[in-house]
Amino acid sequence: NAGVTQTPKFQVLKTGQSMTLQCAQDMNHEYMSWYRQDPGMGLRLIHYSVGAGITDQGEVPNGYNVSRSTTEDFPLRLLSAAPSQTSVYFCASSLRGRGYTFGSGTRLTVV
Amino acid sequence: AQSVTQLDSQVPVFEEAPVELRCNYSSSVSVYLFWYVQYPNQGLQLLLKYLSGSTLVKGINGFEAEFNKSQTSFHLRKPSVHISDTAEYFCAVSVIQGAQKLVFGQGTRLTINP
Repeated sequence: NAGVTQTPKFQVLKTGQSMTLQCAQDMNHEYMSWYRQDPGMGLRLIHYSVGAGITDQGEVPNGYNVSRSTTEDFPLRLLSAAPSQTSVYFCASSLRGRGYTFGSGTRLTVV
Repeated sequence: AQSVTQLDSQVPVFEEAPVELRCNYSSSVSVYLFWYVQYPNQGLQLLLKYLSGSTLVKGINGFEAEFNKSQTSFHLRKPSVHISDTAEYFCAVSVIQGAQKLVFGQGTRLTINP
């Protein structure tokens, strides 16, 4: 099992560019989430999904879109990158009550 | 809504000393409780979880935590730490009924000195 796979690991974007952060899991987990981690702020939920075709907003959704067409994949799209979106992004997946398994993260810098 | 407060942002201890990392939560409904560890430049790894039953939960790497419902706390403990325990530790909660969204505390950086 690969667990949760995130790509790319590092990315530098210019302000206004768009991109997609990829996330895939091979554990048949129903729940998937995207978090951003910023110093001193812990992890904040961006978007989450409770199953294929079902997504909802978390605490900090502005500037991000998600979709979940399959159980395995949960990509995060940055529509028009801003310096405030410089962060480390984590994707995670879970079964009910099991605790989330996290990917290794994507470190994004917007200049 | 749920919230989590980790009472110490940094905890320095000497090697082989005991340590306690404190976590308080707020929720009007029943929750699951978790502790995660993050080593430098890595993702988060689940240390332990409380779902139901015994309030003392044992996890990996010799850590344990005790759920105290009356004090809404879930403190993490280890009787003797090692240099390799240097990391950031996150407490988190999720509502039992619902979308399993994790709400995290701000993290506690544990530094082990030789």
